[in-house]
This record gives sequence, C-alpha cells and structure tokens, in this order.
Amino acid sequence: EVQLVESGGGLGQPGGSLRLSCAASGFTFSSNLMSWVRQAPGKGLEWVSAISGSGVSTFYADSVKGRFTISRDNSKNTLYLQINSLRAEDTALYYCANVKGEGYFDYWGQGTLVTVSS
Amino acid sequence: DIQMTQSPSSVSASVGDRVTITCRASQGISTWLAWYQQKPGKAPKLLIYAASSLQSGVPSRFSGSGSGTDFTLTISSLQPEDFATYFCQQANSFPLTFGGGTKVEIK
Repeated sequence: EVQLVESGGGLGQPGGSLRLSCAASGFTFSSNLMSWVRQAPGKGLEWVSAISGSGVSTFYADSVKGRFTISRDNSKNTLYLQINSLRAEDTALYYCANVKGEGYFDYWGQGTLVTVSS
Repeated sequence: DIQMTQSPSSVSASVGDRVTITCRASQGISTWLAWYQQKPGKAPKLLIYAASSLQSGVPSRFSGSGSGTDFTLTISSLQPEDFATYFCQQANSFPLTFGGGTKVEIK
C-alpha cells in the first residue's frame, strides 16, 4: 500500500524558514517524479514544485522560485521542501504527491500545515 | 503559464442527476488533463487522467472527454458520496496548473 506521510509544518515567522519532509513507502520511491502541492485555507490547489526520481531535475512555480528548494534522499525514501523567506501567502496545507506518468498526482499524503505569522 | 478555467464554480444537484463540469485551457494541451475530487478535510483524489482514462478504483459513472482546450467531466448519476469539490489540472507543461474548482452541492 502506498503511503505518503508529511511532517515539519508549523508556525513560522515572516522571513523565517521551515523544512517539510515526506516519508514514502509502498512503492519504488527512486523511480518516481515527486511533487509538492499546497492549498491555502478555503482556497484551491496550487502546484509548488517537482523533482525527478534521480533528483537531478527540479521544477518550481514562479511564486516560490528562489525561496523554496525541493530535494530527496532515495536511501531514506524521503522527499523534502526547504522553505526560506517565509511570507504570509505561504500559509497553506502542503501536500506531498506521487506523480503518475508526465504529471498526474495519483497518491497524496494527508498534508502538513504551514502558518506564517508574527 | 497555462491558465485553467473551470465552470461553473458551483452547482446544486440531486441524487441521480447527471452533472457536467467544464474546464478550458488558455492554450492547447492535447489530452494532458486530469480531474480530481476533494472532500472537506481530505486530500484530493485522482479520478481521470489523460482527459478520459479512468483511474483504477474510480466508479464508471465518472467520465472525462475533450482535447485541445476544452474538457468535460461528467457524473452520469450523482451519488451521495459525490458531493465534493472537483478540480481540473493540466499536465502539458510546467508549471502544472489547476482550475479554480467546482463545488457540487446538494439541491
């Protein structure tokens, strides 16, 4: 059974940093493109970032480019999202998702909540 | 970036109704389109990918169609468990983008 479990969310101050983690199990993690998708409270879905199975290729939404860094440790079956220079608009539930084919999200975690406030 | 526009933003329907949701891309995306269902407090669930392929385990009352810029999700006979919010998403190119969502409510 595929499982994705996010952690690392919490309250962050504007300008601060957080590191999110996503522990994966039930599939060959190193073979799959992985992604982060976020959802602000009461709002729609926003794709944030993706990373190839090898970790060589990374992709970012313009809204986070230069502030967020996606990475993975295939030896630990874990995906990461380093969030720097936190802004109020980064407040959201952050989901980790497995990418099926070229860009469809077939498995999702339960999400980890990031709240940015002073 | 490719913009995805869904309509309507909400629809009221009864159990047994046929419901159709549309999604329009700002440029052609072939059939690189997915549909998701999200219930309150839950993660989204993939229903349809490649515009018309049913994800494993999804009931056959869900179907998708379209190509290029115009796409449709149809629920042939609405069931109580189908009341939720539905999102389309293009997978043609990065950045991947979602539609704004359509809330299917009980009439």
